[in-house]
Amino acid sequence: DAGVIQSPRHEVTEMGQEVTLRCKPISGHDYLFWYRQTMMRGLELLIYFNNNVPIDDSGMPEDRFSAKMPNASFSTLKIQPSEPRDSAVYFCASSLSGVGQETQYFGPGTRLLVL
Amino acid sequence: DQQVKQNSPSLSVQEGRISILNCDYTNSMFDYFLWYKKYPAEGPTFLISISSIKDKNEDGRFTVFLNKSAKHLSLHIVPSQPGDSAVYFCAASGVDNYGQNFVFGPGTRLSVLP
Repeated sequence: DAGVIQSPRHEVTEMGQEVTLRCKPISGHDYLFWYRQTMMRGLELLIYFNNNVPIDDSGMPEDRFSAKMPNASFSTLKIQPSEPRDSAVYFCASSLSGVGQETQYFGPGTRLLVL
Repeated sequence: DQQVKQNSPSLSVQEGRISILNCDYTNSMFDYFLWYKKYPAEGPTFLISISSIKDKNEDGRFTVFLNKSAKHLSLHIVPSQPGDSAVYFCAASGVDNYGQNFVFGPGTRLSVLP
């Protein structure tokens, strides 16, 4: 398996624009996670899905952030409108089953810069 | 308030010596702890874990120690190698009154000097 795939790897956009980050989890994994990494706050869990259903979105910072998982092999994280403080590295991860005790496999991340 | 803390943002160690990375947590409902390692421009990768029913878990050069009464765990790397230079994240999970809780610490950057 190719592992967790994220696209794009880098995104530069202007404030106010819509940004869509994409993730393909490892085939057969039931859980998908979106994280944000910043210098100030480290690695924050934004939302996770189980069998394509959002389970916990308490980490989503604002209504400008939304995430979807239309099928088992694809998820998106959308920011609309984007702001400079959204600049960070966004990681997608997947796990076979469960949260916490199961190893999560991370993608390479999308580095987002909002000007 | 951070539930998982790694109070040392960075650590430098000489090659061949022991590296000790520390992690403290505040939520007594956490019952499983993991360490992830992250190289630049890559996603974190799982390194080692420990359940709260144990106080030590060892995997090759890596050993994790858990002190539940102190709500403290540490990762020991012996001997340290230059390839161990990376950011290390401590993570904790458990079920509390609000459901499943999974939290990463802010990370510690380890530099192993040749």
